This record gives sequence, C-alpha cells and structure tokens, in this order.
Amino acid sequence: EAGVAQSPRYKIIEKRQSVAFWCNPISGHATLYWYQQILGQGPKLLIQFQNNGVVDDSQLPKDRFSAERLKGVDSTLKIQPAKLEDSAVYLCASSLRDSLGYTFGSGTRLTVV
Amino acid sequence: AQSVTQLGSHVSVSEGALVLLRCNYSSSVPPYLFWYVQYPNQGLQLLLKYTSAATLVKGINGFEAEFKKSETSFHLTKPSAHMSDAAEYFCAVSGAGGTSYGKLTFGQGTILTVHP
Repeated sequence: EAGVAQSPRYKIIEKRQSVAFWCNPISGHATLYWYQQILGQGPKLLIQFQNNGVVDDSQLPKDRFSAERLKGVDSTLKIQPAKLEDSAVYLCASSLRDSLGYTFGSGTRLTVV
Repeated sequence: AQSVTQLGSHVSVSEGALVLLRCNYSSSVPPYLFWYVQYPNQGLQLLLKYTSAATLVKGINGFEAEFKKSETSFHLTKPSAHMSDAAEYFCAVSGAGGTSYGKLTFGQGTILTVHP
C-alpha cells in the first residue's frame, strides 16, 4: 500500500511569510494527525482529524496556524505569519479509525530565516 | 496527563553488543506504549507497541520491550546490534481510552550509534 505522502520535502521562507504543507494519507484512513518536531525534540501533536472534523486542536497555535481536511482525505497545514521558532519538521500521520500505532509520512522540513 | 522520559540522549554500542534504550512513563490512565525509529530525513517507523496484552512485546528488526508497571518502564532491547540499527529512537505513550486514546506523547529521543 502507498504510504503517507507529504509535500514539499523542504521549504525555506523568511519570517512573517506564509507557508502551506500538504498531506495525503493512506487510502481509507479516517484519522489524520499533524505533528511538529523541533530539532532535538520528540514530535508534538498539533491537531487531530477524524474524517473531516477536528477532534483535538488544543496544541495548535491558532493565532498563526490553521489546518483543514476537506472531504476527509487530504489535509493542509498553514502558518501565517511564520516565526523563527516555527523552524521544524512537520509530520503527517494517518490511521484507521480507533487504530493505534499509525503511519507517518517523511515530513516537511521548514526553515524560517 | 502523560509523559515519557528517555534516559540518555545518546547511546553508543559496538556491533554485536546488547542494545538497551531506557524509557520511563507517567500516566494517570492505563497506558499504551510505543517505540518508534527515525532514520535521517525520514518519518517515524513503528518498531513495537504494548496494548495491555503480553508484557513482553516483540517488534521488527529483532527488537523487543518489556512493560513493567511496578517500575513504570518500557525499555527497548536488542541482543546483538547491527550497523543498520544506527538511528534515533523515540518512546511514546498514549492513553488506553478517553480523550487521550490514540494521541501520542513522545520522549526526547535517543540517538543510537553503532561502532564496527
């Protein structure tokens, strides 16, 4: 089966610019997650979707971050405006509903300069 | 609330030696526990998971981990290290139910180096 696809792989932007990341989960996976992994740290959950509804976005900095999952399939994560501290790898993961140990994509490495 | 502490940010072993990566957890609800491996510039790959069945869990690539409730530990071991095991390893915890189900809280990671 195809894995979780993410694009772009790398992105460099200046602070205060906007950026968007895209994720295509494994076909049939109802649950989708976005994680932020800052260098030297473990991934931190930003948002969880079940189909196209948000289950948990308590850790998402909503003043600058937004995410959507249209039609319960692909998802986009946006940062507007970016700050230096947003430099990180953004990982998307998906799973079957109520499943454990989901599949991660390769991530998008964002550098804010 | 849940948390994970990985003891040792770097572990170095010789090829063929025992690998032991330590993980202790804190959870207010019965936990599910996971080990993931991350190779450079790649996403995380699930090695194994504990979901309240057998306390000794066997995973891929010869790794195993034992859940010890009395010690709140879930240490990862492999009897004989291979050069290809060099990577970063993450321990993670999820609640077994309720709102924390399925949401992973990760440790800081342990970088494993394998010397020839």
